[in-house]
Amino acid sequence: NAGVTQTPKFRILKIGQSMTLQCTQDMNHNYMYWYRQDPGMGLKLIYYSVGAGITDKGEVPNGYNVSRSTTEDFPLRLELAAPSQTSVYFCASSYLGWETQYFGPGTRLLVL
Amino acid sequence: RKEVEQDPGPFNVPEGATVAFNCTYSNSASQSFFWYRQDCRKEPKLLMSVYSSGNEDGRFTAQLNRASQYISLLIRDSKLSDSATYLCVVKRGGKLIFGQGTELSVKP
Repeated sequence: NAGVTQTPKFRILKIGQSMTLQCTQDMNHNYMYWYRQDPGMGLKLIYYSVGAGITDKGEVPNGYNVSRSTTEDFPLRLELAAPSQTSVYFCASSYLGWETQYFGPGTRLLVL
Repeated sequence: RKEVEQDPGPFNVPEGATVAFNCTYSNSASQSFFWYRQDCRKEPKLLMSVYSSGNEDGRFTAQLNRASQYISLLIRDSKLSDSATYLCVVKRGGKLIFGQGTELSVKP
């Protein structure tokens, strides 16, 4: 099993551009999460999903959108990128939401 | 006030030292507690869960005091490979709330 995979690993965006961060898990987990981690800080929840077709906002959802059309995939969309969105983005999944969350390797995003 | 607060780091210790990390949480509705480890530029990985009775995994001991809303992690006989950032994590509802992390650097 690959676990949780994320693409791309690194991306530079210009202000105002948009992009989609991809996340896929092959563990048949119901719950999926998107976090961002700024330097020297803990992870902050952006959006999460408890199953296909169901998404909800986390702590810092502004400037982002998500969709969950399948159990495996949970893409994160950035519209109109801003320098404040420069961060490392981690996708995670868990089976029932109360168990261990398994993280992907992260996507490093730089907005200039 | 942050919901989960940890000792500010970094902690610089020699090999073989014992080091303790402290964490406090503010929401009494918090249900479960964890320590995650994050290596430099890598994803967080679960180190251990924390139970009210205290639990031990080799050189690592975690303790929880619900009355004081306090969590601790003790590392004995530190190894170079223990160098990482340790994240205190609290589960509330279906979500994990992360502390900012405490960096540990173990020197020869």
